[in-house]
Order: sequence, then C-alpha cells, then structure tokens
Amino acid sequence: KNEVEQSPQNLTAQEGEFITINCSYSVGISALHWLQQHPGGGIVSLFMLSSGKKKHGRLIATINIQEKHSSLHITASHPRDSAVYICAVEGSGGGADGLTFGKGTHLIIQP
Amino acid sequence: NAGVMQNPRHLVRRRGQEARLRCSPMKGHSHVYWYRQLPEEGLKFMVYLQKENIIDESGMPKERFSAEFPKEGPSILRIQQVVRGDSAAYFCASSPLNRVNTEAFFGQGTRLTVV
Repeated sequence: KNEVEQSPQNLTAQEGEFITINCSYSVGISALHWLQQHPGGGIVSLFMLSSGKKKHGRLIATINIQEKHSSLHITASHPRDSAVYICAVEGSGGGADGLTFGKGTHLIIQP
Repeated sequence: NAGVMQNPRHLVRRRGQEARLRCSPMKGHSHVYWYRQLPEEGLKFMVYLQKENIIDESGMPKERFSAEFPKEGPSILRIQQVVRGDSAAYFCASSPLNRVNTEAFFGQGTRLTVV
C-alpha cells in the first residue's frame, strides 16, 4: 500500500511569492496527479505526470521517479491560487484500485 | 461534452434514513470510482466499478454501503441507515476504457450531512 506524504500541510504566503509544495510516496507508481480543491468545491486535475516536468501557465510540476518525489510550483502567486492542493498516485500494477491521496496542502495567498 | 455530473450537490439526512448519491460519468467513460473525504481528512478510495460490475470494493465499509453502475443510467452509491459519522463529501471520478495513465476527471461532489 502506497503512503503519500505532502508538505507543508499549511502554507500562507504573500501575493507574488514563489510557492513550492512537495509530495513523496513509498512505492513505485505508474502516474502521479496534482489536484486542486477550492473550499466547498469540486476537485480539478492540474497535472498528470509519469516522468520529467510539465508546465501550465504559472504552474509547474516535476517528478523524480528514482527519488519517489514530486513538487508543484506556483510562480507569481495570486490570492485566487488559495486552495487545497492534493497529490495522488496511481499504482504501477495498473490494477483495479483507484488513486491514493495525500492529505493535501492548504495554501492561502494574502494580497 | 459535459464533465462528471454528481447529484445532489448537498444532501441532508436524519440518522437512520437512506442516502442515494448519483454519478454520471463523462461521455465515453465506462469506469467509475467513488471516493470519500471526511472532515479534516484526505480522500479515500471506496469502490471501483465498470458497467454492471464491481471491480474493487476494498475501500467500502462492510455494512450499510453499496454501489452499483447499471447498464443504463448513473452509478449509485447507497448508504443505508445513515449515522453521523457518514457525514462527508463523496466524490465520483470517471475514466475511459483504457484507464492507465489517464487524467483524473472528478465530479463536484455530494456533501452529505447527517443530523
């Protein structure tokens, strides 16, 4: 069973700061997902990674398969980025189980 | 192409009543996953279904919970005789037939409150 750890659990920053959220997992995976959840809202997929790096707007996600570690970066952060960011992994067996989730990072960007 | 649709968005039930949560997957998706998010906790896998088949229900509580995904219509997560501890957000996700390494598509969730 994969253990997914995220850090930090809570992060408050000022508008414009560069944000990094980390995710580590214990067992080999086929893919890693970064998800965003606004308070009381649904869950939106930001990235799916199996290797390397992806960029979408101000968001960048990287993964190091050997280290079993991924990071989500937000450049030029904005108050609308305030949300919970969730890391989730998909097993390497391609089996029937769903995603295994971290507990999330609560991000608050203050104007 | 509508996304994953869940209804109702909010559901209030008294202890002992039944709760029925519905999930319509994205068009062309034949796999449905249900997840539960308890207050102040992370999301947890409950059950994985394909049309007319339960593939993995290892995350489902052994009693009072059941799920189905009929040939026609939405997937249903049913909770009988609800208790306060069932209060949570229930999310559904869907994926296409070739599910390996596909983006995760989630619904807006159903927030169940048991009073």
